[in-house]
Formats: sequence, C-alpha cells, structure tokens
Amino acid sequence: DAKTTQPNSMESNEEEPVHLPCNHSTISGTDYIHWYRQLPSQGPEYVIHGLTSNVNNRMASLAIAEDRKSSTLILHRATLRDAAVYYCILRDGNSGYALNFGKGTSLLVTP
Amino acid sequence: GAVVSQHPSWVICKSGTSVKIECRSLDFQATTMFWYRQFPKQSLMLMATSNEGSKATYEQGVEKDKFLINHASLTLSTLTVTSAHPEDSSFYICSARDTLLYNEQFFGPGTRLTVL
Repeated sequence: DAKTTQPNSMESNEEEPVHLPCNHSTISGTDYIHWYRQLPSQGPEYVIHGLTSNVNNRMASLAIAEDRKSSTLILHRATLRDAAVYYCILRDGNSGYALNFGKGTSLLVTP
Repeated sequence: GAVVSQHPSWVICKSGTSVKIECRSLDFQATTMFWYRQFPKQSLMLMATSNEGSKATYEQGVEKDKFLINHASLTLSTLTVTSAHPEDSSFYICSARDTLLYNEQFFGPGTRLTVL
C-alpha cells in the first residue's frame, strides 16, 4: 500500500479554518484518498474521500493536488468538537476495501 | 448516515476465557466487514476481513485460531477471542462496507476488552 505522511499534531483556534496536510508521493492512479477522524475511545468517523477532483461535503472539503502527490483536508470553521485524530488513508480501488491506518494528525482546537 | 453497532461496549474477563464481540450494520447490508485492534496511543491495526458466507481473511501475524470470525448474515459479524490473555486487552473496532455506497466504510463505536 502507498504510504501517507501527516504531521503528528496541529493546533487551531475555534472558529478558524484548519488545513490538515497529507503527503502521498507514491500514490498510484487507482488509489482513492480517504479521510477519517477518531475521537477518544470511539470508532473512526468517515469525513470525506476523493480520487482526482476536489470534493466538498457538509463536514469538510478535500483539496487534491494536480499531481495527486498531496492533499489537504479543510475544516472551514473549527469547533471544539472537531478535536480528534485525523487519518489520511490511501485505498487501492482495485484491491479491496480494507483501510490501513497510519498515525494520523492529532488536532487540538482551543477556544 | 449508516450506523454500525457493537456489543458489548466493554467487557472484563478472566484469563483463559473466551469473549464474543458482535458487530451489526443497523440500516444497511454489509457484504464485507472488517475487524481492527487498537492499543493505547496507537493507530488502528487491521486484523481481518470478513465476507458474508465465506471464511475470513486474516492479516499477517494475526492468529486465526485465536480470533474466530463469523459473518453469517449481511448485517452481523462476530469476533471471538478464544482463551484470552492479558496481552489481548485492547480496543476492538469493526467496520462495515455499505454495498450501495461501496467506497465508504462505517465504523462501530468499539469494544474495550480487559483481560485480568
């Protein structure tokens, strides 16, 4: 599986936008980019996913670089409830649906 | 959105006993379910992939005779930890793939297993 690299931690002020980066320089053409987040002692929660084009949903936006070697998860207005570990995961569309989690980015949101 | 439940949410057992954890997709059918394990301050580790009506596929290093997985219906998969030992204490999380939204997985809330 292609690997992803994320900062260990980031900090944001409440109500400010947050840009969470993810590098995946070895991404293949069939890899989907998935983002999940996990609050303490809970299962991961789906945030967003994309393949080539930028994506928007009610939770966040996903900006994918033109060469697909990096992507950015954008939370438009951080709230205290957004404090979580955010995982950027590549999933090969040709080889099944299992997700291999890396270490993720721990996001701290301060009031 | 799709909901996945797990039961129990936590369990404490004595060393040597077996523990069964249930994973249910409540409002969708899931031909594929996944089991993960997470130790404190670590990331999720995939243990096995469970396909309805067939044998589970285990990841390298995961003992299939110790972690028995059954996926007998489109809404239920079970993980049985046999002869549990303290080192099996962990947070066990399942996920289910929605066959209609096939690129999305939905995760259960997790089961905290403590083996004394």
